[in-house]
Amino acid sequence: KAGVTQTPRYLIKTRGQQVTLSCSPISGHRSVSWYQQTPGQGLQFLFEYFSETQRNKGNFPGRFSGRQFSNSRSEMNVSTLELGDSALYLCASSPTGTGRGNTIYFGEGSWLTVV
Amino acid sequence: DQQVKQNSPSLSVQEGRISILNCDYTNSMFDYFLWYKKYPAEGPTFLISISSIKDKNEDGRFTVFLNKSAKHLSLHIVPSQPGDSAVYFCAASALYAGNMLTFGGGTRLMVKP
Repeated sequence: KAGVTQTPRYLIKTRGQQVTLSCSPISGHRSVSWYQQTPGQGLQFLFEYFSETQRNKGNFPGRFSGRQFSNSRSEMNVSTLELGDSALYLCASSPTGTGRGNTIYFGEGSWLTVV
Repeated sequence: DQQVKQNSPSLSVQEGRISILNCDYTNSMFDYFLWYKKYPAEGPTFLISISSIKDKNEDGRFTVFLNKSAKHLSLHIVPSQPGDSAVYFCAASALYAGNMLTFGGGTRLMVKP
């Protein structure tokens, strides 16, 4: 069974540009969540999509957005990149929407560097 | 405000001894807690979880204890092995919040041979 796949794994962008990151969840999983990991702030929740609907959103500016497609694949977009957006972006998928048990699986992440 | 805190950024223990990682939370709506292990350049891997209706959950060398009144949980690893060296994250969830996890800042565990 394939795990959570995130692309690209590494990328470098210039301040002011925008970036789109992609996540393919485990087959059959309907929930996809996104997290940002930085040295200073740790792992912070960005948003969760369940059956194409955004169900929860973290405390991030509107420059951060996402969407989920009918096949459960998800993308997140960051516009007008700032240096502070440099981080590891992690995607997690789950078959359920309850946050219970060992059913939340993380991908390896996309490393974004903004210069 | 940090709703989940891991006050020890690092911990060093000898192989074979017990590792105890601590986590405190403030939000009384949290009713499910998870521990994840993370290696550099990899995503977090689920270790063990506990529901707020329990005070202990055990899985092999890993045991999680929950003290609801103190809003404190701990992860015990016995015996510790060098392969356990990683960053450990405590996370909390609330039933109303779906799959949204609130993470602590992590504790880097180093197990020395």
